[in-house]
Amino acid sequence: KNEVEQSPQNLTAQEGEFITINCSYSVGISALHWLQQHPGGGIVSLFMLSSGKKKHGRLIATINIQEKHSSLHITASHPRDSAVYICAVRSHNFNKFYFGSGTKLNVKP
Amino acid sequence: DAMVIQNPRYQVTQFGKPVTLSCSQTLNHNVMYWYQQKSSQAPKLLFHYYDKDFNNEADTPDNFQSRRPNTSFCFLDIRSPGLGDAAMYLCATSRGDRVAYEQYFGPGTRLTVT
Repeated sequence: KNEVEQSPQNLTAQEGEFITINCSYSVGISALHWLQQHPGGGIVSLFMLSSGKKKHGRLIATINIQEKHSSLHITASHPRDSAVYICAVRSHNFNKFYFGSGTKLNVKP
Repeated sequence: DAMVIQNPRYQVTQFGKPVTLSCSQTLNHNVMYWYQQKSSQAPKLLFHYYDKDFNNEADTPDNFQSRRPNTSFCFLDIRSPGLGDAAMYLCATSRGDRVAYEQYFGPGTRLTVT
């Protein structure tokens, strides 16, 4: 069983739709990260959070530590949001990261 | 300004021919990581350095080695690449204090084995 599970694996949306990607984890963590990976490989860190909620532009990330669950929301989605979104957790052994398998998002114009 | 740099971006090597991938960082971070990512899969941690301390993952094949001569540079050596080693190799850095910090990723090196 993977330490980090994401859903859905694939997501197609129309431009303007509200999008939610979910992440559940089974290990004790110090922080949870949402990452974005575009075709070609480069990974960009979107959020790091250990409690509550963070917002950056059209992106919102929430975490519920008790339920070991996080969500990434994209409001007013746009084709340029098309990418793979990866949930990763940093374990209590602070230098160990566990990654989800990613959610491939395709936003159609 | 690039903070985590990987060279080369694309590497083609022959089956069994040793290859070295390099990573450098301008962030002065304690921790450097090497990940292997195959198509449509999550990155898989191969090993990481906390300062000079090398931490190998239990399932990382012996074929993969690493060197960190100083804070800024880290190398991934694949001693005898097989076809199954074709992948994207990602380097990342992080501060390793007892507080969670973000990871910063390089652009990756895509390795092809012929």
